[in-house]
Amino acid sequence: DAGITQSPRHKVTETGTPVTLRCHQTENHRYMYWYRQDPGHGLRLIHYSYGVKDTDKGEVSDGYSVSRSKTEDFLLTLESATSSQTSVYFCAISESYRQYEAFFGQGTRLTVV
Amino acid sequence: GQQVMQIPQYQHVQEGEDFTTYCNSSTTLSNIQWYKQRPGGHPVFLIQLVKSGEVKKQKRLTFQFGEAKKNSSLHITATQTTDVGTYFCAGPEPNFGNEKLTFGTGTRLTIIP
Repeated sequence: DAGITQSPRHKVTETGTPVTLRCHQTENHRYMYWYRQDPGHGLRLIHYSYGVKDTDKGEVSDGYSVSRSKTEDFLLTLESATSSQTSVYFCAISESYRQYEAFFGQGTRLTVV
Repeated sequence: GQQVMQIPQYQHVQEGEDFTTYCNSSTTLSNIQWYKQRPGGHPVFLIQLVKSGEVKKQKRLTFQFGEAKKNSSLHITATQTTDVGTYFCAGPEPNFGNEKLTFGTGTRLTIIP
């Protein structure tokens, strides 16, 4: 498995609180992604990064922000968590010389109560 | 934006029966990838198809890319309990490099022993 670590693995938080999820890679891949997975919706892209400090929105970016200050770290922040953001969040990495094959982290299960 | 749909959403088969999932894109794809996610796990890359009409096999799994490069299928012959999971297709979004993938909604396969 590719070296991708997500933290925390599980989190329960209250509505209105800020939450930050961390993705750390040891593969030196250029591209990093945050997806959310919900029943019936598959994997939906929240944000992705194509380099340090270079990020772009995905299809479900509202309510989320990201930062990438180092190649190996990609942070996802929920500024004010809502119940609709209860989901499983996956980080993924890819690289052009590997045909953009996506390697996924183990996932973070986030519950907003 | 690009839409990638998969059918069926769920499939229950007896062990030993065949299984097929279909993937349809609203846009022409430069390539298509397939992933498998075991229950409670993370998506894992299976294969990438690039050429129109391409067929690739991995043991009991057969992957096809349509002639128009807008659809694809995954066929499993003689299913086994190890095939349980959700199968996703994914294609790159047009007007981006191949780094930005849109995932299908997935087909969840369950096996009746």
